[in-house]
Amino acid sequence: RKEVEQDPGPFNVPEGATVAFNCTYSNSASQSFFWYRQDCRKEPKLLMSVYSSGNEDGRFTAQLNRASQYISLLIRDSKLSDSATYLCVVNKIWGGADGLTFGKGTHLIIQP
Amino acid sequence: DADVTQTPRNRITKTGKRIMLECSQTKGHDRMYWYRQDPGLGLRLIYYSFDVKDINKGEISDGYSVSRQAQAKFSLSLESAIPNQTALYFCATSDPQTTGANVLTFGAGSRLTVL
Repeated sequence: RKEVEQDPGPFNVPEGATVAFNCTYSNSASQSFFWYRQDCRKEPKLLMSVYSSGNEDGRFTAQLNRASQYISLLIRDSKLSDSATYLCVVNKIWGGADGLTFGKGTHLIIQP
Repeated sequence: DADVTQTPRNRITKTGKRIMLECSQTKGHDRMYWYRQDPGLGLRLIYYSFDVKDINKGEISDGYSVSRQAQAKFSLSLESAIPNQTALYFCATSDPQTTGANVLTFGAGSRLTVL
């Protein structure tokens, strides 16, 4: 099993729809979890951290399921500007970004 | 101005040439990182530095070296470039005291092509 695995997509979704994608991780001792967003040919930017209790930021909701070792990202009322690649990021250690493992990303295309 | 600046943004070079990619930051972060990104692959850590006197190898350090000239500057060198080092390179910073140790701020990237 790969350390961090994502469906690469692309996910083609009409504007206004709800879309969700998952990411699985192999190391059960992983400590922290994140979603980053990367626009085409741009740098990744933090979208949100993922907390054990789940968390929401506007139209975005992130969930963590430690028992099944996956995290999810839900986007409601999708906008054209949500088109991007979403990177799942998992840290196997506390305290340092040197332990981060990046997924290959899920490509999302919002269609008008 | 960007918080994390990378130069050059694009570079085409030939096999065997020495290449340096530079990174400077105005965020005042102690921790700096170099990653590479290849199509279809996740970002992979090359080297990282937690302060000026600290240099650590990452997952894929072979063929690369780094220098931390100051808190704000972290450069990546390819001593003798080879075609499979063609990639998009990102510099990043983090700070446990402010944004969190795990939260990275990336530069805009340096696209390197080795012919």
